[in-house]
Amino acid sequence: SSELTQDPAVSVALGQTVRITCQGDRLRSYYASWYQQRPRQAPVLVFYARNNRPSGIPDRFSGSSAGSTASLTITGAQAEDEADYYCNSRDTSGNQVFGGGTKLTVL
Amino acid sequence: EVELVESGGGLVQPGRSLRLSCAASGFTFNDYAMHWVRQAPGKGLEWVSGISWNSGSIGYADSVKGRFTISRDNAKNSLHLQMSSLRAEDTAFYYCAKDLSSTSSIPVNWGQGTLVTVSS
Repeated sequence: SSELTQDPAVSVALGQTVRITCQGDRLRSYYASWYQQRPRQAPVLVFYARNNRPSGIPDRFSGSSAGSTASLTITGAQAEDEADYYCNSRDTSGNQVFGGGTKLTVL
Repeated sequence: EVELVESGGGLVQPGRSLRLSCAASGFTFNDYAMHWVRQAPGKGLEWVSGISWNSGSIGYADSVKGRFTISRDNAKNSLHLQMSSLRAEDTAFYYCAKDLSSTSSIPVNWGQGTLVTVSS
């Protein structure tokens, strides 16, 4: 499949750890990138490749991958982490696909 | 600081054409691949098209292939998306995005988007 599948919604208690997952066959060959999108804002890259976090992104954001599943983990979730999260990956031609997105609620 | 400013959006009738532009500044434009990504109101992100630093590699989502054409002008630090045969389902915010490198296929910096509404 060329698609990436995410859970539509996930919730986490303030200060706790949450894992957002992304499944797809292309993840067996390519790493996922992860984007955070707050309401009415452009997406922000928060993690990419095997172990890369862009400058300015808190270290509570981390990523991992196993087989056809990629994960974004937020360790010690904060109120400002409440947002939509999208995974993204590519294929052999460089074309890309985004997952359907996960709405994270911080309780 | 990287700045990407999209323009050219608006209301257009089905079947008509529209050209989007993205003015880039704050980085060496011809060192990076570029992308267009869209988001229908209240929906998720959809990659539309990408172009390598020298226009030698171009890709399109199946949903727009044959109707949209991406191009860039490195002398003018600008990215374009020519959209034709527009459909109601093309209604979305269109974001211009800078890649992490010349070839990584990881959009890292995004503009604020321009809204395209396809309606009669």
